[in-house]
Amino acid sequence: EVQLVESGGGLVKPGRSLRLSCTASGFTFGDYAMSWFRQAPGKGLEWVGSIRSKAYGGTPEYAASVKGRFTISRDNPKSIAYLQMNSLKTEDTAVYYCTRPGKRLLWSGESYWGQGTLVTVSS
Amino acid sequence: DIVMTQSPDSLAVSLGERATINCKSSQSVLYSSNNKNYLAWYQQKPGQPPKLVISWASTRESGVPDRFSGSGSGTDFTLTISSLQAEDVAVYYCQQYYSSPLTFGGGTKVEIK
Repeated sequence: EVQLVESGGGLVKPGRSLRLSCTASGFTFGDYAMSWFRQAPGKGLEWVGSIRSKAYGGTPEYAASVKGRFTISRDNPKSIAYLQMNSLKTEDTAVYYCTRPGKRLLWSGESYWGQGTLVTVSS
Repeated sequence: DIVMTQSPDSLAVSLGERATINCKSSQSVLYSSNNKNYLAWYQQKPGQPPKLVISWASTRESGVPDRFSGSGSGTDFTLTISSLQAEDVAVYYCQQYYSSPLTFGGGTKVEIK
């Protein structure tokens, strides 16, 4: 059974950093792209970024709103994806979800979602 | 960026009746080399993560009831719930994965009339 468990969320002051982890199980982690999405309170869904699988070069892509501040990485032997968030802003407050697509492609529908971890940026 | 526009923002449908949600993309999400539309539909219930119900515009995910169907191609898409059940009350989002940045529609809230 595929499982994704996010951790690392919490309350942080503007300008500070936070690192989220997504621990995966139930599949060959390195074979799939992994993505992060977020949802601000009462709002819709927003893509944060993705990191390709080994087959597609293992490189990340980011939304413009986080590029230069956030970094996505992966540890394939440990089956963990990371979201390093620097220079946090109040508008980064959201539930952050880790996802895995249904297919071993760069992009396809996100079949698996973690339960999410809440990040609150406030002074 | 590809802009996804959903309509309506909300709709109330009687139990057993049809619910129809529309999604329009600002450019085609049909990949000509494989003739696939890079369009997904998600269902989100309060306090839960989104759930993928339809991928490739019309492929129902495993375990999703057959009252859910997706149609459309290019820039215009529809999610239809043929006979609304109480457990279908949720917000539905369309999403394109044709190109980065991945983008979502604003969501459609489906309620019981």
